[in-house]
Amino acid sequence: GAVVSQHPSRVICKSGTSVKIECRSLDFQATTMFWYRQFPKQSLMLMATSNEGSKATYEQGVEKDKFLINHASLTLSTLTVTSAHPEDSSFYICSASLPKTSGSYEQYFGPGTRLTVT
Amino acid sequence: GQSLEQPSEVTAVEGAIVQINCTYQTSGFYGLSWYQQHDGGAPTFLSYNALDGLEETGRFSSFLSRSDSYGYLLLQELQMKDSASYFCAGYTGFQKLVFGTGTRLLVSP
Repeated sequence: GAVVSQHPSRVICKSGTSVKIECRSLDFQATTMFWYRQFPKQSLMLMATSNEGSKATYEQGVEKDKFLINHASLTLSTLTVTSAHPEDSSFYICSASLPKTSGSYEQYFGPGTRLTVT
Repeated sequence: GQSLEQPSEVTAVEGAIVQINCTYQTSGFYGLSWYQQHDGGAPTFLSYNALDGLEETGRFSSFLSRSDSYGYLLLQELQMKDSASYFCAGYTGFQKLVFGTGTRLLVSP
């Protein structure tokens, strides 16, 4: 089956620093990946759509200069949280989209990255 | 806007059947998916309804009625390991998923 990995699984950083999170599709190529954020006991909120070779598309209310997304290859997308603050502490999850024979798409999720900003 | 509402919590006992509802308001979804998420883990895919009607996958079934903007996930023969959060999610254009508010299922012995 399709496997998506994320690295690191957990990260603690100091306020004001930047953190990079990697999302890889291990056994398939993904032209489209997605980044979500999930606060405790809440739902997944889509932050942005990462498109290989082009700029990411951000959801309303998500600061593109704070959450930098790079999708440099068909198997790797990165999310960089710049100048992190305690309110950025959250569970960040990526997914990769894979077309199905029916013509629809299915998203495969990474294991998530727990970011804690102190 | 697009929103999918679910009950916040459902409780049931082992061996029982439970239904988790999802009602949505949207300008248009291409289909409705269901995901399971254990605490601290990633969402895992359970079921997908592209068309109205019932889809059955083992102990899990999912139903969609576009005319009623409504769907549900049915879990049969509940097991303790089914205790988790369950999310409906609608596919919009450009392969995007919009997740529902989520339902926490607690299965007791």
